Amino acid sequence: SAVISQKPSRDICQRGTSLTIQCQVDSQVTMMFWYRQQPGQSLTLIATANQGSEATYESGFVIDKFPISRPNLTFSTLTVSNMSPEDSSIYLCSVEPASTDTQYFGPGTRLTVL
Amino acid sequence: GENVEQHPSTLSVQEGDSAVIKCTYSDSASNYFPWYKQELGKGPQLIIDIRSNVGEKKDQRIAVTLNKTAKHFSLHITETQPEDSAVYFCAAGGFTGTASKLTFGTGTRLQVTL
Repeated sequence: SAVISQKPSRDICQRGTSLTIQCQVDSQVTMMFWYRQQPGQSLTLIATANQGSEATYESGFVIDKFPISRPNLTFSTLTVSNMSPEDSSIYLCSVEPASTDTQYFGPGTRLTVL
Repeated sequence: GENVEQHPSTLSVQEGDSAVIKCTYSDSASNYFPWYKQELGKGPQLIIDIRSNVGEKKDQRIAVTLNKTAKHFSLHITETQPEDSAVYFCAAGGFTGTASKLTFGTGTRLQVTL
C-alpha cells in the first residue's frame, strides 16, 4: 500500500475565492487521481493527474475550474477555482502504485464554501 | 462508460449476523472489482478486491464473489461487529490498456447493532 497525506484537512472559504489542495505520497506512484465526494454521495472522478503532462479530465469537469499539477511522482495539487457553495464537498486524492490497478485513498479535504 | 449499481443503500444487522451487499456493473471489459470501507471523517479504505479471473476471494470475515456472466459481485461480512459499521462502496474498472479507471457504486451504510 501507500501512505498518503492531504493538506489542508478541511477549510471554510468564501465564494469567488480559490483553494489549492495538496496530495503527498510516501513512494513513487504511476497514477494519481482526484475525486469529489459530495455530502452523503459516492465518489466521482474529476481527473487523472499525469506526471509531466496535462491532466485528463472526466466529462463535466474542466481545467479552468479544477487546474491540476503533478510536478513529480509523489506530489500533486488540485485547485478549486472561483468557488461557489455547490463546490462544498470532500476532495480525495488516490494513488495507484506501478504494476497494479489498486487505488489507495488519502484522508480527504473537507471544503465548505459560504 | 461503466455504470455500477449497489444495493441496499442502508443495511442494519445485529452483532454476530452476516451482511451481504450486492453490485452490478455494465461494462464487460471491467476486470477489477475492489471494495472500500469509509468511516466517518476518513478516506475510503480498501478492504478486499477481486479480479475477473477469480470467482471468489476470502480474507478472514470478509469474502467477495464475482459472477462475470451476470455482471454482478457481492461482499459478504460474517460475524459482524460494531466496528464494521461504516459506508461500503463497490467499484468496477481496471486498466484498459491506455488508462486505469474505477467507477464507484452509490454506497451502502451498514449499521451493526448490539
